Amino acid sequence: AQKVTQAQTEISVVEKEDVTLDCVYETRDTTYYLFWYKQPPSGELVFLIRRNSFDEQNEISGRYSWNFQKSTSSFNFTITASQVVDSAVYFCALTVIQGAQKLVFGQGTRLTINP
Amino acid sequence: GAGVSQSPSNKVTEKGKDVELRCDPISGHTALYWYRQSLGQGLEFLIYFQGNSAPDKSGLPSDRFSAERTGGSVSTLTIQRTQQEDSAVYLCASSLAIAGGPLETQYFGPGTRLLVL
Repeated sequence: AQKVTQAQTEISVVEKEDVTLDCVYETRDTTYYLFWYKQPPSGELVFLIRRNSFDEQNEISGRYSWNFQKSTSSFNFTITASQVVDSAVYFCALTVIQGAQKLVFGQGTRLTINP
Repeated sequence: GAGVSQSPSNKVTEKGKDVELRCDPISGHTALYWYRQSLGQGLEFLIYFQGNSAPDKSGLPSDRFSAERTGGSVSTLTIQRTQQEDSAVYLCASSLAIAGGPLETQYFGPGTRLLVL
């Protein structure tokens, strides 16, 4: 079975600060995929990134960056120079390639960026 | 192009009534998923449709829940004899995944917020 843990329930920072959202996962499969989704107040889950288990390269997209470390089973997400529009609930998720490829989600981290 | 759409956006019903929730996936997407988001349980998988294959119903919480996908496109999730614990946001997602093929990203609709009084 797969499990995703996002230990930070809520984070609140002041605009322009950097913030890191933690994600720890568990799976016995050697091939798996990790995702981050953003859920703004409108409610829709917005896809941000996906990573497969064979690619440990970190990724940067604008102010967003992701740090994947298999040794610690973590896939952390950092927002640099945060903005108010980054306020949302962020979900980390895991899936394996077999079967339904259903997503197993963490509990989410509510991020509030204060002006 | 158009994303995943769901209707209604909000639904208020009385305990014991049946409800139907609709999902229109992204055109051309063969895989369709239903998830439920509730305060107590977080985001949880309900059911998965892949083309004309038998659905994976392993996440349905009880036999009051059922879903169908007609013509490989639109899907309807039905909850019979609703209970207060069914109150949640029901999210639909679709992807280009095919059986035995590579993993594809799931794209989500805006959800249907269900409140059972």
